[in-house]
Order: sequence, then structure tokens, then C-alpha cells
Amino acid sequence: GENVEQHPSTLSVQEGDSAVIKCTYSDSASNYFPWYKQELGKRPQLIIDIRSNVGEKKDQRIAVTLNKTAKHFSLHITETQPEDSAVYFCAAMNTGNQFYFGTGTSLTVIP
Amino acid sequence: DTAVSQTPKYLVTQMGNDKSIKCEQNLGHDTMYWYKQDSKKFLKIMFSYNNKELIINETVPNRFSPKSPDKAHLNLHINSLELGDSAVYFCASSKGSNTEAFFGQGTRLTVV
Repeated sequence: GENVEQHPSTLSVQEGDSAVIKCTYSDSASNYFPWYKQELGKRPQLIIDIRSNVGEKKDQRIAVTLNKTAKHFSLHITETQPEDSAVYFCAAMNTGNQFYFGTGTSLTVIP
Repeated sequence: DTAVSQTPKYLVTQMGNDKSIKCEQNLGHDTMYWYKQDSKKFLKIMFSYNNKELIINETVPNRFSPKSPDKAHLNLHINSLELGDSAVYFCASSKGSNTEAFFGQGTRLTVV
């Protein structure tokens, strides 16, 4: 199966600074990479995704990059706000349509 | 309308009991999933299922079994509950290849 690694496990930034979370995956056939945000006690919700035919995607303050050769993908949040504080998960979808999640990054934005 | 709904939201039960968690999606999706989120927040896939194929993660004990009466439902049955089964269980669904998964609100299972 797929193996997704995520770093860092915890991240604290000052409000207004940028946050970067990095993931690697093992299955070169994986071709869809979503990012989820999970607030305390809530369900994971999609914030951005990227498909293997694209190298970068941006949506306002959030961007994702994908390097298929290196099997790396990253989440970038700019101008962080306190409401960005949550646990973020990367994921990779394999050819069996199964999502494999990274171990999560707990992001704290300090006002 | 809730897209993916699970019941119950909380479940407290004794060791050795058998319990079920229900999941329904009204999105018309073909694939449904069950995930286990432990105390460290790791999200581990347990099963994925569409109307043609059940894929079971090899690490899932056979005390856990999914039951799908129709395409919109994927229930989780757990036999002989153990303390280590305590976790939050999430149901999810997706349209298929290269599309996002929508999660239910989760079921917090506590085995005492």
C-alpha cells in the first residue's frame, strides 16, 4: 500500500507569518493529493487539492506544490491568522481509490 | 442537508460487547470508507467499498466487518470489543478516482 509521511508534527507561527507543511509518498502511481483541515472535535474538511498533472495550485492564502519525480508535496499558508490553527493532514490517493493520510501537523497561530 | 451522516455520535460500551455504527451518504457517491482516528490523531484507513469491491486494510482485525445494504450506506460492525478499539471512527465517501472524500461527523467509541 501507500505510505505517506508528514512533517513537522507540530508547528507554531506568529500571526501574519507563513507556515509550510511537507509530505512525501511512496507509491509512484498515486495521482491525487488532497489536504484536509481538522478543527478540534470536528471532521476533516478539504482545503485544497492537486492532481498529478499539475505542479502548483493556489487558492487565496493557501498554495500546494507537487514534485512527482521526488514524490514530495507541500502546503503553504501565507499571512496566517488565528483561525488557521488546526490539525492539517496531507493524503495520497492510490490507484485503488483509497486515501492514505499523513500523520498530521498541529498548527498553532499565535496572535 | 448533511452529506455524510453517522450515528451514533458517541458510543460507550463494555469490553466484549458487539456494536454497530451506521453511515449514510446522500451525495450519490460510488465509494465509501471507514477510517479510525486514534488518540494521536492518526487517520488510518480500515475499509473502502464500492458496489463492486471491498478492500480491507490488512491490519484491521476480523472482528470489524463492513456491511453495505445499498450504495448509500456502509455500516461498521464490531464484535467482541476491546479497550484498544476506543477511538473516533469516521465514515467518508467519494465520487471516485481523483476526487475528494467527504467525511461524516465521526463516532467517538469508548470501550470500558
